[in-house]
Amino acid sequence: SQQGEEDPQALSIQEGENATMNCSYKTSINNLQWYRQNSGRGLVHLILIRSNEREKHSGRLRVTLDTSKKSSSLLITASRAADTASYFCATDGTGGFKTIFGAGTRLFVKA
Amino acid sequence: NAGVTQTPKFQVLKTGQSMTLQCAQDMNHEYMSWYRQDPGMGLRLIHYSVGAGITDQGEVPNGYNVSRSTTEDFPLRLLSAAPSQTSVYFCASSPGVMRADTQYFGPGTRLTVL
Repeated sequence: SQQGEEDPQALSIQEGENATMNCSYKTSINNLQWYRQNSGRGLVHLILIRSNEREKHSGRLRVTLDTSKKSSSLLITASRAADTASYFCATDGTGGFKTIFGAGTRLFVKA
Repeated sequence: NAGVTQTPKFQVLKTGQSMTLQCAQDMNHEYMSWYRQDPGMGLRLIHYSVGAGITDQGEVPNGYNVSRSTTEDFPLRLLSAAPSQTSVYFCASSPGVMRADTQYFGPGTRLTVL
């Protein structure tokens, strides 16, 4: 079963608006990562947040982590058409060396 | 650096055939992994390796074998292809052996089993 589950499954917004995606997971984690996948391509790493961090920024991206609720959110500010992609969260879980991905959120930014 | 390369990009097999998907990285990463991605879904881990000579199973290992004879290469073998193995396969590598490290993905191999 998948560790992370993203919400919503799909999101359509206008260029310039903010996009928020959420990820919930089931077991304790050491770290959580967000990846982007453009159609038909491999995944690209966006940001990693450790379990002892609550918020992290990278350019127009802001990630928050709430370990008490076992959830994370990815905020993309001032979205652009080029942000159109699928976004996945990935967690490591406890024990082992496995990175487990959620099913993803499909973001469509209309120009 | 070429990063993570995968060959072939596309492959069509008949049920029962075997083949090997190639994966190579030139970043001297210890950790390598194989995922499959089915339509509209996330990635599921097939097998992974934390270094040359060391491999282990992921979430969906049945029907697949791997080996890691060198740091650079991590081939995935389909023993007897089945239609359920129709998918896009991604190889990834990561520096060190910490599971939380950033993973670098190859472009993928799109496999169809008839």
